[in-house]
Amino acid sequence: DTEVTQTPKHLVMGMTNKKSLKCEQHMGHRAMYWYKQKAKKPPELMFVYSYEKLSINESVPSRFSPECPNSSLLNLHLHALQPEDSALYLCASSQEGVTGNQPQHFGDGTRLSIL
Amino acid sequence: AQSVAQPEDQVNVAEGNPLTVKCTYSVSGNPYLFWYVQYPNRGLQFLLKYITGDNLVKGSYGFEAEFNKSQTSFHLKKPSALVSDSALYFCAVRTTSGTYKYIFGTGTRLKVLA
Repeated sequence: DTEVTQTPKHLVMGMTNKKSLKCEQHMGHRAMYWYKQKAKKPPELMFVYSYEKLSINESVPSRFSPECPNSSLLNLHLHALQPEDSALYLCASSQEGVTGNQPQHFGDGTRLSIL
Repeated sequence: AQSVAQPEDQVNVAEGNPLTVKCTYSVSGNPYLFWYVQYPNRGLQFLLKYITGDNLVKGSYGFEAEFNKSQTSFHLKKPSALVSDSALYFCAVRTTSGTYKYIFGTGTRLKVLA
């Protein structure tokens, strides 16, 4: 069973739509991550929240906007996406802040298709 | 530039035979090393990690990995492969000096043949 829950599992949206991806964990983890993964490729880090503060933004375009309302929730707001943004979006969490040595726990992702 | 290499895109092994999935890294300092597995339409699952200490680490599902500092390698092994081990395997490195970086290798597809 996955302890990191992502919704929705699938999302199809047009380039002018606004949508949000949600991620939730109840393990008391203090770091949460967003990744983008293309087929058969490794995950690419997008954002890291450590103790509910944005600590890393890997130069992600502003059409992706992260939000961490509390220590258990992580959102990714999407607006005016491009077809090349179609991918699997993975959320992960880890026990300590970003400086810890604990592994990341991943959700099963949201498969996003941009028409 | 810091990097993680998985030299084989795919590894084929017969069921019951030992398997090895290779990983080498080029990262300064003493990084933390991880292996993850990804099944189709799923997220990554943690298998094992090396932080410090014994060079042979044991993990989930009978997997183990051998850390070699001089060769900067962290190869994943299993004594007897199962068909259900067929999946995509990623090596990952977390830097411990300078700015935070979590670097994934390119992935190796393991196919275990019955």
